[in-house]
Amino acid sequence: NAGVTQTPKFQVLKTGQSMTLQCAQDMNHNSMYWYRQDPGMGLRLIYYSASEGTTDKGEVPNGYNVSRLNKREFSLRLESAAPSQTSVYFCASGPKGALEGYTFGSGTRLTVV
Amino acid sequence: GQQLNQSPQSMFIQEGEDVSMNCTSSSIFNTWLWYKQDPGEGPVLLIALYKAGELTSNGRLTAQFGITRKDSFLNISASIPSDVGIYFCAGLNYGGSQGNLIFGKGTKLSVKP
Repeated sequence: NAGVTQTPKFQVLKTGQSMTLQCAQDMNHNSMYWYRQDPGMGLRLIYYSASEGTTDKGEVPNGYNVSRLNKREFSLRLESAAPSQTSVYFCASGPKGALEGYTFGSGTRLTVV
Repeated sequence: GQQLNQSPQSMFIQEGEDVSMNCTSSSIFNTWLWYKQDPGEGPVLLIALYKAGELTSNGRLTAQFGITRKDSFLNISASIPSDVGIYFCAGLNYGGSQGNLIFGKGTKLSVKP
């Protein structure tokens, strides 16, 4: 049982390049989330999808777009990467109501130079 | 949006010592969760609390849901080197720009053998 799988694990981009971070879950969860983690800032929500076909902005959505491709997959796209987007990105999924919390992927460490 | 104040931000302790950390909020939560993040990995759920006053243990970990529903505490007894990591509290909140779970900024624990 893989849980939440994120790809790639590491990526270096040049300023202005674009890329898509992939996330897939096999737990039949309704909701999926993208967070970024920076030192001293905790986990900040970028975008989330409460259910297939819906997406909503989180606290820090600027510079990002998302696609909920189907119930399993939720991708995060950086159209024009900036050094301020250097961070560790986590995807998470959760059941409706989230009473048991979220399950997180192992993260993508992104560096923009 | 809602915020959780988690303290301390970091702790440096000797192996064998007990550890206490807490999380407070100005808002009431009906569910509190505690996560641990190992270095280089995503957060993993440790304990979930569902009732005010509830005290729940998981091995050497004990967590409490505060009576006021505005705080929660996590204690680790007889720490060992593998306890190193970042501990996050989270309160369950439905909807809003922060999604279902509101996260504290984390307590970074370092253990000296």
